[in-house]
Amino acid sequence: KAGVTQTPRYLIKTRGQQVTLSCSPISGHRSVSWYQQTPGQGLQFLFEYFSETQRNKGNFPGRFSGRQFSNSRSEMNVSTLELGDSALYLCASSWGGTGDEQYFGPGTRLTVT
Amino acid sequence: AQSVTQLDSQVPVFEEAPVELRCNYSSSVSVYLFWYVQYPNQGLQLLLKYLSGSTLVKGINGFEAEFNKSQTSFHLRKPSVHISDTAEYFCAVSDKSGGSNYKLTFGKGTLLTVNP
Repeated sequence: KAGVTQTPRYLIKTRGQQVTLSCSPISGHRSVSWYQQTPGQGLQFLFEYFSETQRNKGNFPGRFSGRQFSNSRSEMNVSTLELGDSALYLCASSWGGTGDEQYFGPGTRLTVT
Repeated sequence: AQSVTQLDSQVPVFEEAPVELRCNYSSSVSVYLFWYVQYPNQGLQLLLKYLSGSTLVKGINGFEAEFNKSQTSFHLRKPSVHISDTAEYFCAVSDKSGGSNYKLTFGKGTLLTVNP
């Protein structure tokens, strides 16, 4: 079956703009998580959605937001972009139970200039 | 809250040599433990996970890991590596209890480079 897909794969934005990233989970998966990966901070958890509800949130400013639709697809939005938001944004899906394997997408590479 | 420490940021080895990638964690509650691998320009792929039971866990591509509760460690091992094992490896934990058990806390990663 198809894996986790993320669009777009690459994105270049200017400081102050906003951006929306999209994630389509594996069919049947109801949980979608988002992570930010940077060379300095490594992989950091942003938030997790299950059946359209945010179950958990990491320590990121309110400029980072997300949502999940009834078909489990998810979007994350970053407003008022800063240079430090340049990163690889990874989406992962799972069935949603504790200890379940998370399947990762290839990521969206965001560059803020 | 949990934290994960991967003790080596880079590990160079020769092909067919054994390798151990070290991971220690800190948590006030019981955790699940994972090892993921990331190849260049790709997402993460699960190598193995420890949920409960036998402390020796076998994963894909010939990797295995041993959970040591007293040392709070979960080291990854492979008896003989191949060039294709060159990648970055991440150790991760998730909380078994409460509302924070749906996220992974990752270590900083270990870059394994296998040389011919």
